[in-house]
Amino acid sequence: DAGITQSPRHKVTETGTPVTLRCHQTENHRYMYWYRQDPGHGLRLIHYSYGVKDTDKGEVSDGYSVSRSKTEDFLLTLESATSSQTSVYFCAISENRMSNEQFFGPGTRLTVL
Amino acid sequence: DQQVKQNSPSLSVQEGRISILNCDYTNSMFDYFLWYKKYPAEGPTFLISISSIKDKNEDGRFTVFLNKSAKHLSLHIVPSQPGDSAVYFCAASGVQGAQKLVFGQGTRLTINP
Repeated sequence: DAGITQSPRHKVTETGTPVTLRCHQTENHRYMYWYRQDPGHGLRLIHYSYGVKDTDKGEVSDGYSVSRSKTEDFLLTLESATSSQTSVYFCAISENRMSNEQFFGPGTRLTVL
Repeated sequence: DQQVKQNSPSLSVQEGRISILNCDYTNSMFDYFLWYKKYPAEGPTFLISISSIKDKNEDGRFTVFLNKSAKHLSLHIVPSQPGDSAVYFCAASGVQGAQKLVFGQGTRLTINP
């Protein structure tokens, strides 16, 4: 298994509070991604990174920001959490392959009350 | 606009029989297609992929077929085993920029003894 960890694994927070999720990899892969998984929607890309300090928006980026100051860490921040951001969040990594095979972390279940 | 669609939310198959999971896409510029398997409380794991220049790829009990003219791919699992019970996502890459995947909604496969 690819060395990807996510923290925390579970979090319950209140509307309006800031939340930061962390993804850590030991594979030295260049690309890192944040997805959210919701019933009926599959996996949707929030933000991704193609190198240290290089990030870009995905399909559902509103309300989220990211930072990548080191190759191994990719942070996802909800500046002011809303109930619509209750979801399961997955981090993924990949190298420069034609198939773009990505390896996923175990996920973080976030509940915003 | 859902570029990758899995129209069957669930599928139930008897152990030992063939499972066929389907996926349709709208963008003819996709150049790679992937299948992922996901167990509850875990991250998705890569299963098999196929390049758009091929129409079939096989790996043990898993075979993916690609019909470019119909913009359709399918995953065949033969014979189906209880451990195959999971949610299966198809994904496509190659259009939205380097190293990004577009996922379908997922199909929950249940293998009955």
